[in-house]
Amino acid sequence: DAKTTQPPSMDCAEGRAANLPCNHSTISGNEYVYWYRQIHSQGPQYIIHGLKNNETNEMASLIITEDRKSSTLILPHATLRDTAVYYCIVRALLEQLTFGKGTKLSVIP
Amino acid sequence: EAGVVQSPRYKIIEKKQPVAFWCNPISGHNTLYWYRQNLGQGPELLIRYENEEAVDDSQLPKDRFSAERLKGVDSTLKIQPAELGDSAVYLCASSPLLLRDTGEGYTFGSGTRLTVV
Repeated sequence: DAKTTQPPSMDCAEGRAANLPCNHSTISGNEYVYWYRQIHSQGPQYIIHGLKNNETNEMASLIITEDRKSSTLILPHATLRDTAVYYCIVRALLEQLTFGKGTKLSVIP
Repeated sequence: EAGVVQSPRYKIIEKKQPVAFWCNPISGHNTLYWYRQNLGQGPELLIRYENEEAVDDSQLPKDRFSAERLKGVDSTLKIQPAELGDSAVYLCASSPLLLRDTGEGYTFGSGTRLTVV
């Protein structure tokens, strides 16, 4: 059973913010939300993760709703190099990373 | 730092033939993973090593797949004999043992794309 639900694809104009949603309505209290991305012909790359507070790093921001049932990954200024499949993963510590199908983000010039 | 190195990058074989994939993890990373990624799908874990010990191989099809990690460093994944349905990308990842808990320590290689004809 998939723990997360993501749209299969999204488009974003270059230079605009990309907002990628993820639903995880059955998340447990000890589970974190992780985001990875996979650029074509490469392995997945870690982006960011969080438990309940919003998080920001040099790559992106993660917004988690107060009830933790959904989250949004924000790429503030999308570039063509951000075109990739983005995976939202719910995981407790010591568990494996389990990938779904993700969202294919296309950044359009 | 070279990152996780996998070879070969591509492999085409006929069905029923054997094939092997090699992975060199990041130096000092104790944990090593093999994932398989079918077209249009996310990666699926096949096996996880802690040093030289396979601690989770529940998803590895043991009738035809085998893996080893000699001396707790490099690892080899083998398929014998290969079937048409084995066509996929085989990804290797590694993480430092102490940081494994956070999930952000996973570093993936670029994978081996296997085509069985």
